[in-house]
Formats: sequence, structure tokens, C-alpha cells
Amino acid sequence: EVQLVESGGGLVQPGRSLRLSCAASGFTFDDYAMHWVRHVPGKGLEWVSGISWNSASVGYADSVKGRFTISRDNAKNSLYLQMSSLRSEDTALYYCVKGYRSGWYSQGDFWGQGTLVTVSS
Amino acid sequence: EIVLTQSPGTLSLSPGERATLSCRATQYVTSNYLAWYQQKPGQAPRLLIYGASSRASGIPDRFSGSGSGTDFTLTISRLEPEDFAVYYCQQYGTSPLTFGGGTKVEI
Repeated sequence: EVQLVESGGGLVQPGRSLRLSCAASGFTFDDYAMHWVRHVPGKGLEWVSGISWNSASVGYADSVKGRFTISRDNAKNSLYLQMSSLRSEDTALYYCVKGYRSGWYSQGDFWGQGTLVTVSS
Repeated sequence: EIVLTQSPGTLSLSPGERATLSCRATQYVTSNYLAWYQQKPGQAPRLLIYGASSRASGIPDRFSGSGSGTDFTLTISRLEPEDFAVYYCQQYGTSPLTFGGGTKVEI
């Protein structure tokens, strides 16, 4: 059974940093791309970032480019999102999502339950 | 960036009725890389359709996707009580990947 468990969310002040983690199990992690997608309460979904199976290719939404960095450790079956210069509009539930294929131009076929990030002073 | 516009914003129907949801893109969606997701309150989204018309594993055949280019449709042939939810389309052929604003299907 595929499991994706996010952690690292919490309350953080504007301008500070936070690192999200996602522990994956139940599938061959290094065969698949991974994504971060966020959901602002009461609003829609926003794709944040994607990474290919071997970290060779990454992509970001314009809203986070230059502030967020996605990475993965295939030896630890883990995905990360380093978030810096956080803004109030980054407040959201952040989902870890398994890609359908090895490249990050892919749909997400399994989603974690999310970790909540709140940016406020 | 490709903007996806979903319509209607809310669809009010009864169990047993047919639901037709639209997703329109501002540019051609590469290789028809268009997916549909269902999200219920308090739950993570679930993949329903990918490649515009392929059903994901375990998805009932009352869900079907169609369309190409810039116009796509999700059809639920006969609504079951558990189908009342929010539905999102997503294009994954061009960076950045983008989602539509969602359609709420309510009773």
C-alpha cells in the first residue's frame, strides 16, 4: 500500500524558513517523480514543485521560484521542500504527491494527508 | 502559464442524474496531458482521469473524460451519493503545471 506521510509544518513568522519532509513507502520510490501541491483553505489547489526520479530535473510554480527548493533522498525514500522568505500567502495545507511516471511532467496518482503551514506574525 | 477555467462553479443535481463538468485551457494542452481529481471535505484529492480520457485504477466506469486541445469534459453518468464533492482539472504537459479553480457538485 502506498503511503506518503508529510511532516514539518507549523506556525512561522513572515520572512522565516521552514523545511517540509515526506516519508514514502509501499512503492519503489526511486522509480517515480514526486510533487508538492498546496491547498489554501476555502480555495483551490496549486502545484508548487516537482522533481524527477533522479533529481536531474525540477520545476517550480512562478509564485515560489527562487524561494522554495525541492529535493529528494532516494536512499531514505524521502522528499523535501525547503521554504524560505515565507509570506502570508504561502499559508496552506501542503501535500506530498507521487507522480505517475519518472519525469515530473506527470499527474499525481497518490496523495498524502498534508501538513499545514501557517505564516503569520 | 496555461490557465484552466472550470465551469460551472457549482452544479446542483440529484442522485441518479448526469453531471457534465467543463475545463477550458488558454493554450493547447500538450499531448492531452489533462487530469481530473475528486476532493471531499477533509480528504486528499483522488486521481480520477489522466491523459484526458483514461480512468485511474479503481475508478468506477460511471466516470469518463473526453476532449482534446483546449476543451475537456468530465462526465459522471449517474451520480451516486458519494460523488458529491469538488472536482479539479490539471494540465501536466507544460511548466508550470496548473489546476483549474474547481467545480463543486452538490445535492
